[in-house]
Amino acid sequence: DIQMTQSPSSMSASLGDRVTITCQASQDIGNNLIWFQQKPGKSPRPMIYYATNLANGVPSRFSGSRSGSDYSLTISSLESEDMADYHCLQYKQYLYTFGAGTKLELK
Amino acid sequence: QIQLVQSGPELKKPGESVKISCKASGYTFTDYAMHWVKQAPGKGLKWMGWINTYTGKPTYADDFKGRFVFSLEASASTANLQISNLKNEDTATYFCARSADVMDAWGQGASVTVSS
Repeated sequence: DIQMTQSPSSMSASLGDRVTITCQASQDIGNNLIWFQQKPGKSPRPMIYYATNLANGVPSRFSGSRSGSDYSLTISSLESEDMADYHCLQYKQYLYTFGAGTKLELK
Repeated sequence: QIQLVQSGPELKKPGESVKISCKASGYTFTDYAMHWVKQAPGKGLKWMGWINTYTGKPTYADDFKGRFVFSLEASASTANLQISNLKNEDTATYFCARSADVMDAWGQGASVTVSS
């Protein structure tokens, strides 16, 4: 089974900071990775799909990148509405795996 | 607009069964797979598996083989999750999500509490 190692598990940052969250895949998943944002009591919202593509309606301060087996979600300039949990999901060969999640809080 | 509406909260005792429904609207039901995702209180998301809404064939993640059953009422554009022999660790919110690769629409979640 493919494992996704997500880091950090939590982090605090200030408004305007550049923030990066990473998921490392245990096997090749190509670009089959989605980043979700989840706010308390809400359903997950897709932010980035196919590792680097911005989903509809997502602000341009969000971006996704890949370096080998490492996948990153970056927020270029943190805003208060970005405080949330973030989850990566790989979807290779119809078997899916989430990362453990990252809690992003305001410093 | 695309909507997935799930059934309401459930309170069950250990050993009982529960059935959660997910009614889709705003798109052709059989054009998208339906996934199920578990979120225990304060925890991350866990993929449970998916059902092919065209053929009805389910695929279960390893941790969800045995007590968990995905089914369809295709004529009603509804996907169901049944959990039998409930355990305390089944206490969670269960989400349905449609997908044609990307899980782009989610239900609001259905809360299941298992307590004696």
